[in-house]
Amino acid sequence: DAKTTQPTSMDCAEGRAANLPCNHSTISGNEYVYWYRQIHSQGPQYIIHGLKNNETNEMASLIITEDRKSSTLILPHATLRDTAVYYCIVRVPPDKLIFGTGTRLQVFP
Amino acid sequence: NAGVTQTPKFRVLKTGQSMTLLCAQDMNHEYMYWYRQDPGMGLRLIHYSVGEGTTAKGEVPDGYNVSRLKKQNFLLGLESAAPSQTSVYFCASSSQDRVTHEQFFGPGTRLTVL
Repeated sequence: DAKTTQPTSMDCAEGRAANLPCNHSTISGNEYVYWYRQIHSQGPQYIIHGLKNNETNEMASLIITEDRKSSTLILPHATLRDTAVYYCIVRVPPDKLIFGTGTRLQVFP
Repeated sequence: NAGVTQTPKFRVLKTGQSMTLLCAQDMNHEYMYWYRQDPGMGLRLIHYSVGEGTTAKGEVPDGYNVSRLKKQNFLLGLESAAPSQTSVYFCASSSQDRVTHEQFFGPGTRLTVL
């Protein structure tokens, strides 16, 4: 069973920040939260991950609540090329990714 | 580097036929994985391998077998294909040396079982 729940779809205007929420209320203490995205029918692409601290890289920021029951992926300036399905995933040791159904993000001009 | 490659890209089988999907990676990764993705769904783990000569079951292993005879290759076999195995199959690999444990995915194999 998926360990995460996400909204089915979201829209975002180009140039604005896209905030994608995720609930993972049953996450265990040693399980990381990962975000991947899938553009069209390509293989998923890694975006970012975290355990309990907020994280930022060149693609996005990840905000994890203090109780670790939810997180938000932030794309600071969405572009049309960011249109994709975004998966919030729990990584179960040693290295298994448990995918949910994801959020379909549509960026519009 | 080619990254992760999958062969073939498309295949149509009749019920009961067998086939093998090949995954190859040139990144010297220890871990390799096979997933399937049904329409409108996320990926589900079929089998995975943590090193040459090792394999383990994932979420949906029934009807599939795998082998990892060489570090760079991971084979997925269907002994007797069924229509329920119509899906897109993705292979991935990862290195335990990377802090991110990022999985690199191949382009997928679209399989139709009639």
